[in-house]
Amino acid sequence: NAGVMQNPRHLVRRRGQEARLRCSPMKGHSHVYWYRQLPEEGLKFMVYLQKENIIDESGMPKERFSAEFPKEGPSILRIQQVVRGDSAAYFCASSSGTGVNQPQHFGDGTRLSIL
Amino acid sequence: GESVGLHLPTLSVQEGDNSIINCAYSNSASDYFIWYKQESGKGPQFIIDIRSNMDKRQGQRVTVLLNKTVKHLSLQIAATQPGDSAVYFCAENPYGNKLVFGAGTILRVKS
Repeated sequence: NAGVMQNPRHLVRRRGQEARLRCSPMKGHSHVYWYRQLPEEGLKFMVYLQKENIIDESGMPKERFSAEFPKEGPSILRIQQVVRGDSAAYFCASSSGTGVNQPQHFGDGTRLSIL
Repeated sequence: GESVGLHLPTLSVQEGDNSIINCAYSNSASDYFIWYKQESGKGPQFIIDIRSNMDKRQGQRVTVLLNKTVKHLSLQIAATQPGDSAVYFCAENPYGNKLVFGAGTILRVKS
């Protein structure tokens, strides 16, 4: 009965490196969402994907950030040329469908630290 | 707009008492609301949800109340236990599938 699985749990990168965050949705879920959380704040939406498609990326910065959810394998959030301001917790959620009564279930996040 | 807070409000309750956590949401277009519980180092955990055509929904030890007139949500926890200590977030969906989260409330349960 695995929930949403994210890895790594902690990731340390130096400025200018690339960060790749992985998310495997709950079994049977084909909708994936990425959120970002700064300390003592609520989660902020970044991107919503279905298999092989980006549905809504309105919360994702246009530069350096990209996301994918391939036909096979986990969803990936990729941050190129990381900067100190990218330090945050990144959470993935999944759902079985859209709309009401189909809540998003979250993983335990990846905590990204930029040196 | 979306809520952002540097210092989260804190609610301290005695074990066994009832807790009420409040949330003001921002968008009249939202038709679905969720309460999440987040423990330290973990992701948000779904507690209970409610649709905009309802004003009350009950779960196990929890009740959510929705007042659309004043755009207010509350989460009531009966017989609060130490394991209930966490940060609680309300979330709304004014823009389709993406959730907008409130700033959060810290619940501390004293034994």
